[in-house]
Amino acid sequence: DADVTQTPRNRITKTGKRIMLECSQTKGHDRMYWYRQDPGLGLRLIYYSFDVKDINKGEISDGYSVSRQAQAKFSLSLESAIPNQTALYFCATSDLNYNYGYTFGSGTRLTVV
Amino acid sequence: GQQVMQIPQYQHVQEGEDFTTYCNSSTTLSNIQWYKQRPGGHPVFLIQLVKSGEVKKQKRLTFQFGEAKKNSSLHITATQTTDVGTYFCAAPPYLSGSARQLTFGSGTQLTVLP
Repeated sequence: DADVTQTPRNRITKTGKRIMLECSQTKGHDRMYWYRQDPGLGLRLIYYSFDVKDINKGEISDGYSVSRQAQAKFSLSLESAIPNQTALYFCATSDLNYNYGYTFGSGTRLTVV
Repeated sequence: GQQVMQIPQYQHVQEGEDFTTYCNSSTTLSNIQWYKQRPGGHPVFLIQLVKSGEVKKQKRLTFQFGEAKKNSSLHITATQTTDVGTYFCAAPPYLSGSARQLTFGSGTQLTVLP
């Protein structure tokens, strides 16, 4: 089983719909992250959580919300999806000092039509 | 906020040629990491550099951290088709305190022509 599991892998949704992307990890790490990837823009941070009670906005949090249900679970919600939220979304986890880097999930490809 | 600039955005090489991607920051970095993302895949951690002037090698890959800790490079010798993908650098804020999330460069997409 993968260390970081994202569901769904692909999703097509309509403008205005609420959608949730889920992420779970078996690494036992406290730190979890949501990134968005668009061509030519690299990975941009949406939200991050350093433990269950600590959630922080990243550089592009507008239009998104998150929930840290447990140490192992960190979900991302789009309250009212819009087409420019069409992107590849990655969840990641790391230990305190990320000396071994971030471990990423396989990603969710979201299309908003 | 901190920005890490990465160049070039795209690079096409003939198999067997060398390849280099560069990351530059206007601020001093505490450390820098490198990731590889294969087409259709997710980023995978390659290495972390911490010390000024540090050089690390992984087979045909050579990673360098500048003396001023403001730039870094990844060099691949004699590229192979298995090297295809996008290479990202990433770094945390220098005076991070508790905020140690990584900022990623925009990536260099490497194509290797057989």
